[in-house]
Amino acid sequence: AQSVTQLDSQVPVFEEAPVELRCNYSSSVSVYLFWYVQYPNQGLQLLLKYLSGSTLVKGINGFEAEFNKSQTSFHLRKPSVHISDTAEYFCAVSGPFANDMRFGAGTRLTVKP
Amino acid sequence: ETGVTQSPTHLIKTRGQQVTLRCSSQSGHNTVSWYQQALGQGPQFIFQYYREEENGRGNFPPRFSGLQFPNYSSELNVNALELDDSALYLCASSSMAGKNTEAFFGQGTRLTVV
Repeated sequence: AQSVTQLDSQVPVFEEAPVELRCNYSSSVSVYLFWYVQYPNQGLQLLLKYLSGSTLVKGINGFEAEFNKSQTSFHLRKPSVHISDTAEYFCAVSGPFANDMRFGAGTRLTVKP
Repeated sequence: ETGVTQSPTHLIKTRGQQVTLRCSSQSGHNTVSWYQQALGQGPQFIFQYYREEENGRGNFPPRFSGLQFPNYSSELNVNALELDDSALYLCASSSMAGKNTEAFFGQGTRLTVV
């Protein structure tokens, strides 16, 4: 079975500062990894995904993540955040057909002016 | 190309009642997954439907059931509602045409059980 642990429940950061949201996973099989963003009262929007290939994945809104198999991590980074990045971020893992996607508990990113 | 739409957006039910939530999948998608997101938590996988058959189920009791129709839209039914069923219910559609194509989420249905 797959599982995800998001190591920080809340991350406050000042505008234009860099940020890293941490995600560790566990799985006995090959995994596919995702980061989603959720704005208040909305559904989930995909930021980026790792299926195979290059371990550095670039997504929308300037976010990127690095898949580290030896450390079973998939941390999300952004070099300079904006106020509009304030949201809840979820890391997720699934098998090949996304029929059992497991989400972490979420990290609340708050960007302060 | 239409996105994933869910109805209703908000719903209040009384404990013990039954509820039906609806989801229209994105054009071209044949797979629908349902998730429960309690307040302050990540989404929990309920089940997935592919070509009108259940294709995986999470750790939810049988009173959570679903249907998928020939047009790939879907319903989530919950019987004998409990207070703990209060949550945001998310539907996601995807395609089985290739491995792990992106799942697109609807805006969710906020269910409150009183």
